[in-house]
Amino acid sequence: DIVMTQSPDSLAVSLGERATINCKSSQSVLYSSSNKNYLAWYQQKPGQPPKLLIYWASTRESGVPDRFSGGGSGTDFTLTISTLQAEDVAVYFCQQYYSTPLTFGGGTKVEIK
Amino acid sequence: EVQLVESGGGLVQPGGSLRLSCAASGFSVSSNYMSWVRQAPGKGLEWVSVIYSGGTTKYAASVKGRFTISRDDPKNTLNLQMNSLRAEDTAVYFCATGIGYLYFDLWGRGTLVTVSS
Repeated sequence: DIVMTQSPDSLAVSLGERATINCKSSQSVLYSSSNKNYLAWYQQKPGQPPKLLIYWASTRESGVPDRFSGGGSGTDFTLTISTLQAEDVAVYFCQQYYSTPLTFGGGTKVEIK
Repeated sequence: EVQLVESGGGLVQPGGSLRLSCAASGFSVSSNYMSWVRQAPGKGLEWVSVIYSGGTTKYAASVKGRFTISRDDPKNTLNLQMNSLRAEDTAVYFCATGIGYLYFDLWGRGTLVTVSS
């Protein structure tokens, strides 16, 4: 199984500042034949289902603000919120879909400092 | 409107059974990869099972042999039969799907399963 490790567990950032979340996979999720990273990012607010933000490690889902960006390749990935807004307070999860069992990171809680 | 609506959750005793359903609208469950994902109270996300458009199924090791995923194409519904339930199966169960790949761009709101005596 591919283990997904997120860091930090929680993060407090001032409004308008940058937030960076890390996600590391125990093996590469880069599919060589397509040169695509099978990595997605989700945002979850209390009492709601997760919302897809990013797929293929860096492709923003339709309607997601451009302050959200994803980067990385192979085993190391980041989700960056360039200028934190109040509505971005949530828990963020990474997920690999390279192979089953599909696995998620443990989550990073983003709060306002 | 494209949406997923889960039902069937509730309180069940350890060792008992429960059947969850997920009604889809706006698309055909038979055309998509349909999954169940669960979230224990205050915890992270755990993938449970997938049924591919061709009918192949996969399970997490924690539920294999106890849970069965299926779909009812005429009713456009995804199901999860859960047997031999344990306290650690207590969670909100979401159905989720994506187009052609196993990331999830559509989620239901979830249904709570509580396994307790």
